[in-house]
Amino acid sequence: DARVTQTPRDKVTEMGQEVTMRCQPILGHNTVFWYRQTMMQGLELLAYFRNRAPLDDSGMPKDRFSAEMPDATLATLKIQPSEPRDSAVYFCASGLSPAETQYFGPGTRLLVL
Amino acid sequence: QQQVKQSPQSLIVQKGGISIINCAYENTAFDYFPWYQQFPGKGPALLIAIRPDVSEKKEGRFTISFNKSAKQFSLHIMDSQPGDSATYFCAANNGDKLIFGTGTRLQVFP
Repeated sequence: DARVTQTPRDKVTEMGQEVTMRCQPILGHNTVFWYRQTMMQGLELLAYFRNRAPLDDSGMPKDRFSAEMPDATLATLKIQPSEPRDSAVYFCASGLSPAETQYFGPGTRLLVL
Repeated sequence: QQQVKQSPQSLIVQKGGISIINCAYENTAFDYFPWYQQFPGKGPALLIAIRPDVSEKKEGRFTISFNKSAKQFSLHIMDSQPGDSATYFCAANNGDKLIFGTGTRLQVFP
């Protein structure tokens, strides 16, 4: 049963600390998406990759957020420095372009104190 | 023009009733309209999807109705069950990306 995995599942940190979230997409999928979910904003697309190349990161605050795919089995989302307003659930999703279905991971719940 | 507007924000339905969630879009270039279901503590999961060349798609108790001329589509859940209690998101594609609605929290009471 192929699934998207994300680590950590929960993260509590203090303001100013670096946070790294990891995602393992489904093997063979060539698109990876990072979303942020909050009660106020719903699901926001932060960035996405196709064949490991970043195609759109316009949803990301560039000064503190960065997203990378070091290889086809790992995507990372970093926040440095973290701020309380970054508290949210961060989801990774993968898919097979040009098909449209996205498969979501279980999310990383981030709390910045 | 890239937005997908979803309503209502929350919905309470009695067991056995019909749940209806509505979405509207502006961009006529959208050609794929999925609905995702999200349970608390989980990621969204694809529930059912439709393309604009058909007006209705049914899978079990879940039906999408699509009105291309009105640029609207809706999810109908027949014989709603307490296990259907979740947040539902409509979406529309923009190339590889999906534009999500704001979500509807459905509660089905016994």
